[in-house]
Amino acid sequence: DQQVKQNSPSLSVQEGRISILNCDYTNSMFDYFLWYKKYPAEGPTFLISISSIKDKNEDGRFTVFLNKSAKHLSLHIVPSQPGDSAVYFCAASGVQGAQKLVFGQGTRLTINP
Amino acid sequence: SQTIHQWPATLVQPVGSPLSLECTVEGTSNPNLYWYRQAAGRGLQLLFYSVGIGQISSEVPQNLSASRPQDRQFILSSKKLLLSDSGFYLCAWTFQGIETQYFGPGTRLLVL
Repeated sequence: DQQVKQNSPSLSVQEGRISILNCDYTNSMFDYFLWYKKYPAEGPTFLISISSIKDKNEDGRFTVFLNKSAKHLSLHIVPSQPGDSAVYFCAASGVQGAQKLVFGQGTRLTINP
Repeated sequence: SQTIHQWPATLVQPVGSPLSLECTVEGTSNPNLYWYRQAAGRGLQLLFYSVGIGQISSEVPQNLSASRPQDRQFILSSKKLLLSDSGFYLCAWTFQGIETQYFGPGTRLLVL
């Protein structure tokens, strides 16, 4: 039972353009969502989060959008830079206590020069 | 500021051997602690979490166990490793009541 899904295993974007990573969830009780970035052989690093009471949160080049009715969130990176090449995980929280996160499978983003 | 350490960074072990991975957090007290595994090409699977000393919750039945002997120390163990235990093991922490988890550098385990 995959409660958080990232249906695109990979995404390739040209440097300077917008990268859009998508994530869908099935449990309407999730109330907090996060995006993490992961380089090979390293731990994930926190990027940005959003509470279910909001529909948008922005931090520099990163913006997360939440559509609760569609149970969908997306991460926009503008402009994309070569250092953004990594695997991006979305995660959801709020239904299981102890601040547990449910992660998607990840999307590998490649920024081409 | 807070930091999280994991060791070893890489480990190659034969099938049937024991395992002990350690995670420690500095700069905070009474954190929630988590162990995850990332199998090759897959997402992060929560294995164990702990909300306090000696309090361990297991998420999936498996060949592994966890312990929290001190407030900021979390240990992942196995008595006999299986081939399927290979993967990238990550420890994470969070403040009590806060959703954002912060991850350690990870341990790559290869069971041969």
